[in-house]
Order: sequence, then C-alpha cells, then structure tokens
Amino acid sequence: GESVGLHLPTLSVQEGDNSIINCAYSNSASDYFIWYKQESGKGPQFIIDIRSNMDKRQGQRVTVLLNKTVKHLSLQIAATQPGDSAVYFCAETGGSNYKLTFGKGTLLTVNP
Amino acid sequence: DSGVTQTPKHLITATGQRVTLRCSPRSGDLSVYWYQQSLDQGLQFLIQYYNGEERAKGNILERFSAQQFPDLHSELNLSSLELGDSALYFCASSVGVGPTYEQYFGPGTRLTVT
Repeated sequence: GESVGLHLPTLSVQEGDNSIINCAYSNSASDYFIWYKQESGKGPQFIIDIRSNMDKRQGQRVTVLLNKTVKHLSLQIAATQPGDSAVYFCAETGGSNYKLTFGKGTLLTVNP
Repeated sequence: DSGVTQTPKHLITATGQRVTLRCSPRSGDLSVYWYQQSLDQGLQFLIQYYNGEERAKGNILERFSAQQFPDLHSELNLSSLELGDSALYFCASSVGVGPTYEQYFGPGTRLTVT
C-alpha cells in the first residue's frame, strides 16, 4: 500500500553544519511532495514543496531533492541554527487529488 | 502565528464521553482540514470541508463527525471516546481545494481520554 517513511527518526547536528533529512516513498503515482517543520507545541509549518517534474528546488537555506528512480526525497538545511530544531515531516499526495500522506517524522536537534 | 485558531488547547475527558473541537480558519480560506496526530500513527488526514460542504474523507472513524458552518468555522465531534482517541487534533485551512494549496495549521487541541 501507500507509505511515506523516514530513514532516521533522530538527527543531531552542530550549529553551523548542514543537515540532511531523508524520506522514502513507495507510491510511484506521487506527483507532489512537501516538507513540513513542526516545533514543540505547534502545528506543522510548510517549508518547501516540489513537483515530480523537478528534481531540485531551493528556498531560503533549504533545498529539496527528489529522486524518482529510487523514490527518495531529501531536505537539506544549510548552516543549521538552533531555531531549526524541530520534527520534520515529508508528505506526498500519491495518486490522490484530495489528501496528503505524512511520514512519521525526523527529530532534528541542533547543538550550540 | 498561522492565523488558524483552535479551541480548546487541552481537553481531558473520560471514556465514553463526547467532545467538540473547534477551528476557525485563516481569513479568506474556504477549506478546512482535520488531522489526528498520535505517536504510533503519525499525522493522519481525517476529513476536509470546502465552503460548507464535505469534500474528502480520510481515516475518520464512524464515531467522529465534523461540519463547517456558514461563517466557515468548523467543529469536529468525537463521541464514545476510547483511550486510543487520545491524540493531538489539528485543523488546517487553505484557500482552495486540493493538496497543492498550502495548508496552514492551527496550534492543535490535545485530547486526553482517561
């Protein structure tokens, strides 16, 4: 069935380092992907999205890479800051035109 | 602040009871989504409304129901509560229908069933 999963449940990095958070998906019909950030006590917040006709998209300090061949999505955060500490979720639409399927999440901890 | 408000922030109730969670979307947004977040299931889509009408259903139990009112606020009703219903319930809103419209999430309601 459909599934969106994360390779690592936790990631700890030093302030200033680059972070890479990975996500695997199994539905080849997935055509749209989103990364969300959820800080403690808050709801998920949109970070960046990418459509399946792209393999890379950049935002402010974040880059999303999509490898459709191996059904893999990654979020790269440059110069990670303490404020980046949060749980990061990938989400995909699959073949659905109405809902998002979320991965379990990766907890990113940034050490000063 | 996403502009989406949810009340109450916390709710503690007993098994078998019924509760109502409330959500006010961002100004101008017509779509409201409800999600359940638990440790074992992650973030699960429950149901979506657009301009007062139900548009999509996800993993919503029959004991749960929702509606969107003419002023666009929405309520999620949970009845015959079980321990396993303890979770964070999020509301999100967007301008249009479909997952490619950016969804703005509220702060959530933490439900504890004892």
